[in-house]
Amino acid sequence: DIQMTQSPSSLSASVGDRVTITCRANQGINNYVAWFQQKPGKAPKSLIYGASSLRSGVPSRFSGRGSGTNFTLTISSLQPEDFATYYCQQYKSYPLTFGPGTKVDIK
Amino acid sequence: EVQLVESGGGVVQPGGSLRLSCAASGFIFDNYAMHWVRQAPGKGLEWVSLISFDGSSSYYADSVKGRFTVSRANSKNSLFLEMNGLRPEDTALYYCAKDYSLANWGQGTLVTVSS
Repeated sequence: DIQMTQSPSSLSASVGDRVTITCRANQGINNYVAWFQQKPGKAPKSLIYGASSLRSGVPSRFSGRGSGTNFTLTISSLQPEDFATYYCQQYKSYPLTFGPGTKVDIK
Repeated sequence: EVQLVESGGGVVQPGGSLRLSCAASGFIFDNYAMHWVRQAPGKGLEWVSLISFDGSSSYYADSVKGRFTVSRANSKNSLFLEMNGLRPEDTALYYCAKDYSLANWGQGTLVTVSS
């Protein structure tokens, strides 16, 4: 199975900060990575697929990069509504696997 | 607008069974693969199963293989998850999600396995 790790596991940031979350796969997955945002009590929301393609309606302050084993999600200027938990996920092979999540909270 | 509405959750004793449903609307259901993903209370996301657009292929997490069966009824825009031999560790909110990259998610249905 492909293992996905994320770092950091949590971070505290202020509105306006640039935030980067890293996701690593233990084997190459090309660009078959998606990123999701989840707020407390809500379903996950898809932000990015194909490592760097932004979903329709997702603000352009979100961006994704990477290929192979190393991937990043960047929020260029953190907004109050961005405080949430973020998950990466590989869909290169079965079983599909998620990272453990990165919780972004208010400093 | 894509809508996914899960139902069928509830409280069941260990060893029991449940059948979850996911009603889809707002897109051409039989064009897309569909997933089940679960989230135990206070934990992260765990992929459970995928079924291809036409139902000809299905895949499962090792933790549910042999106990859970995914199916779909394209004529009714519906996805199902038959869960047998339920264990306390299956307690979770179960989501259905659309397409290989999980573009859209429902709100989930809660399954609690407890005596």
